[in-house]
Amino acid sequence: GNSVTQMEGPVTLSEEAFLTINCTYTATGYPSLFWYVQYPGEGLQLLLKATKADDKGSNKGFEATYRKETTSFHLEKGSVQVSDSAVYFCALDSWGKFQFGAGTQVVVTP
Amino acid sequence: DTEVTQTPKHLVMGMTNKKSLKCEQHMGHRAMYWYKQKAKKPPELMFVYSYEKLSINESVPSRFSPECPNSSLLNLHLHALQPEDSALYLCASSQVVAGTTYEQYFGPGTRLTVT
Repeated sequence: GNSVTQMEGPVTLSEEAFLTINCTYTATGYPSLFWYVQYPGEGLQLLLKATKADDKGSNKGFEATYRKETTSFHLEKGSVQVSDSAVYFCALDSWGKFQFGAGTQVVVTP
Repeated sequence: DTEVTQTPKHLVMGMTNKKSLKCEQHMGHRAMYWYKQKAKKPPELMFVYSYEKLSINESVPSRFSPECPNSSLLNLHLHALQPEDSALYLCASSQVVAGTTYEQYFGPGTRLTVT
């Protein structure tokens, strides 16, 4: 079956540091891939997406590239802010059914 | 407008109560979803409606009863819940075009506590 594996958190880093959250997937076919962010007490917000191999999704300084050869969709941001503190979920869409990773909590300190 | 609204924001209910959660979207999306999320866990899919018809039920206990009155509304009726059902209940919707489902947009959730 389909699955998504994310690096475990929490990830703690200082403001302006570089952030990488690893995500790998197992799926049949060519699923669409997503990153969602959840701030405390809120629902999930779509951060970025990629629908085919080599697509790069980007939004609010975050980027991720759909790598079919390594079945990966790692999230990166060059300079994080305190406001980026949240839980980040990698997800894939297979025939309308989402499979979420376990989530990675990111804590950014001033 | 990419907003999905949910009411109420918080709900406390006893194990013998009957209550309903409501979800609404005006994006013209024809797929709507209910998820359950426990603390520090990813959302777990409960139900999927496609074109107002129930298409996926992930073996959810019958004390949870979904309803889709029209293409903009989704309800989740609750009856005789257990304390372990306490969680954040998230609604989501997505566009469906020519059989292809697109990204899901989530509401803010209803925080349910069963006493």
